[in-house]
Amino acid sequence: DAGVIQSPRHEVTEMGQEVTLRCKPISGHNSLFWYRQTMMRGLELLIYFNNNVPIDDSGMPEDRFSAKMPNASFSTLKIQPSEPRDSAVYFCASSLAGQGFWIDNEQFFGPGTRLTVL
Amino acid sequence: AQSVTQPDIHITVSEGASLELRCNYSYGATPYLFWYVQSPGQGLQLLLKYFSGDTLVQGIKGFEAEFKRSQSSFNLRKPSVHWSDAAEYFCAVGDGGGADGLTFGKGTHLIIQP
Repeated sequence: DAGVIQSPRHEVTEMGQEVTLRCKPISGHNSLFWYRQTMMRGLELLIYFNNNVPIDDSGMPEDRFSAKMPNASFSTLKIQPSEPRDSAVYFCASSLAGQGFWIDNEQFFGPGTRLTVL
Repeated sequence: AQSVTQPDIHITVSEGASLELRCNYSYGATPYLFWYVQSPGQGLQLLLKYFSGDTLVQGIKGFEAEFKRSQSSFNLRKPSVHWSDAAEYFCAVGDGGGADGLTFGKGTHLIIQP
């Protein structure tokens, strides 16, 4: 298995531009998570999906951030317009979630996208 | 709301020495606890997890962790560290059910001295 795939690995953009981060979860997984990692705030959960449905987006910092999961094998995180304070590493993770109890639903993390907004 | 505290930002250990990384959590119900490791420029890899049962859990790479409910702790240990263990270590807590996001601690940066 190729694991969780994220693209691009690095993104440098200018303030005000739209940024789209992409994630392909592990085949067969039914839960997908977007995290952001910064020096100041550490690892924060932004949003997660179960069976392609957004469950909790309370971690999304502002309306400039949006995420979609149009099918089981693809998700995007979009920032529009981007700002310098959005510079961070964005991780996508996926898991196979059980019903009502943990089976072996480890969250597998992708390599991350390092975003720099100038 | 749940939270995780890793009180040590940096820890320096000599190669071959024992290691203990501290983790304290705050959670209203039975916690689901994890330790992840992150090497520079890499994603996170799961070392071990605790859901229930035996409070001493074994993980990969020779790591183990002990869940102590009375102390709200889940400390990570290794009897003898190797230079390749130098990395960032994160403790995390989850709601359970397998479909909820994790709350992470700020991490502990482990430095190995030769």
